[in-house]
Amino acid sequence: AQTVTQSQPEMSVQEAETVTLSCTYDTSESDYYLFWYKQPPSRQMILVIRQEAYKQQNATENRFSVNFQKAAKSFSLKISDSQLGDAAMYFCAYVNTGTASKLTFGTGTRLQVTL
Amino acid sequence: EPEVTQTPSHQVTQMGQEVILRCVPISNHLYFYWYRQILGQKVEFLVSFYNNEISEKSEIFDDQFSVERPDGSNFTLKIRSTKLEDSAMYFCASRTDTDTQYFGPGTRLTVL
Repeated sequence: AQTVTQSQPEMSVQEAETVTLSCTYDTSESDYYLFWYKQPPSRQMILVIRQEAYKQQNATENRFSVNFQKAAKSFSLKISDSQLGDAAMYFCAYVNTGTASKLTFGTGTRLQVTL
Repeated sequence: EPEVTQTPSHQVTQMGQEVILRCVPISNHLYFYWYRQILGQKVEFLVSFYNNEISEKSEIFDDQFSVERPDGSNFTLKIRSTKLEDSAMYFCASRTDTDTQYFGPGTRLTVL
């Protein structure tokens, strides 16, 4: 079974600074997707970024980028120019490719953004 | 932009009562999911649904749970006899034939 580990329960960053959230995963599959979801206090799950395992190029979405290291099974999220609105829980998630595959989530990292 | 919707946003029920949580997935999506998140914990998979049948279910999804797609738009999760430990946030998600799942805003279920 696949597992996703987020070893940082909480992180803090100053506004306008950069922060990196860590995620590692365990799988025997070669083809899969990885995601970061943001959960603000409203508890809605918002997709931040996704990475296909077969792509070597790291995904970017505006201020959000990932460092995907397939051999190390590592998938970190970098947030640049942090904003107060970035404060939330961030969940790393994994899914096998294929029909109806379920998402497996990590335990989350709570990000605080300070002035 | 199309989005997944869920009703109600908050449901309070007495232990032993039946509840039905409703979801309207994005219209052209083919795969549907229910997840739950107990307060302070990670999101857990409950069940996936494709082509009008369950594709996979977790150990949590026991005989007390059922899912249905009664028409072309709604996707429901029924809990027949709620327990205190069923109190959680329940998320519906859907996707097309790509692997990105889009989540609804969730239903907070409180069992008293």
